[in-house]
Amino acid sequence: QKEVEQNSGPLSVPEGAIASLNCTYSDRGSQSFFWYRQYSGKSPELIMSIYSNGDKEDGRFTAQLNKASQYVSLLIRDSQPSDSATYLCAVNTNDYKLSFGAGTTVTVRA
Amino acid sequence: IAGITQAPTSQILAAGRRMTLRCTQDMRHNAMYWYRQDLGLGLRLIHYSNTAGTTGKGEVPDGYSVSRANTDDFPLTLASAVPSQTSVYFCASSPVWGTGELFFGEGSRLTVL
Repeated sequence: QKEVEQNSGPLSVPEGAIASLNCTYSDRGSQSFFWYRQYSGKSPELIMSIYSNGDKEDGRFTAQLNKASQYVSLLIRDSQPSDSATYLCAVNTNDYKLSFGAGTTVTVRA
Repeated sequence: IAGITQAPTSQILAAGRRMTLRCTQDMRHNAMYWYRQDLGLGLRLIHYSNTAGTTGKGEVPDGYSVSRANTDDFPLTLASAVPSQTSVYFCASSPVWGTGELFFGEGSRLTVL
């Protein structure tokens, strides 16, 4: 079992809709969680980090964490064509190494 | 512009050849990392360095070596390239070891024939 699993996608949403991305992780001792965005042919860039259970909002992005269920999600509200990218979930494991999921590709239809 | 510079951007290499991917950062970050990215597998950690002078093995270290002689440079060497090492390689850095807030270079696309 991979340490970090993401819904495989691709995910296609109409402009203005909410895109919901899910991620589960296997290391129960993980304490910090991240979402990276990667445009096609480009390098990943950090968009959200979350460390405590609950929601964290940053503009149109909301990260949600549930450590008991070992689940982290990312919501993109009012999706725009510029949000079309691959979103990578990353988890800091017990030995402080960052483990990435395979990514979910999101396409926002204009 | 501050950041991470990788070279070469792209390279085609014959199997069995030696290759070094270069990575330089000017942010004075303590920790540096090498990841490879393959379709369907995501980013996998090859090697890391939590500070100058020290290195460690990641998830997929076989066939690769690194050195960290100073804070800024973190080259990745393939001693004898094999086709399974065809991938996109990303160098990354973070201010301190253990944070998940990484800054990535633009990547080096390597094809081994």
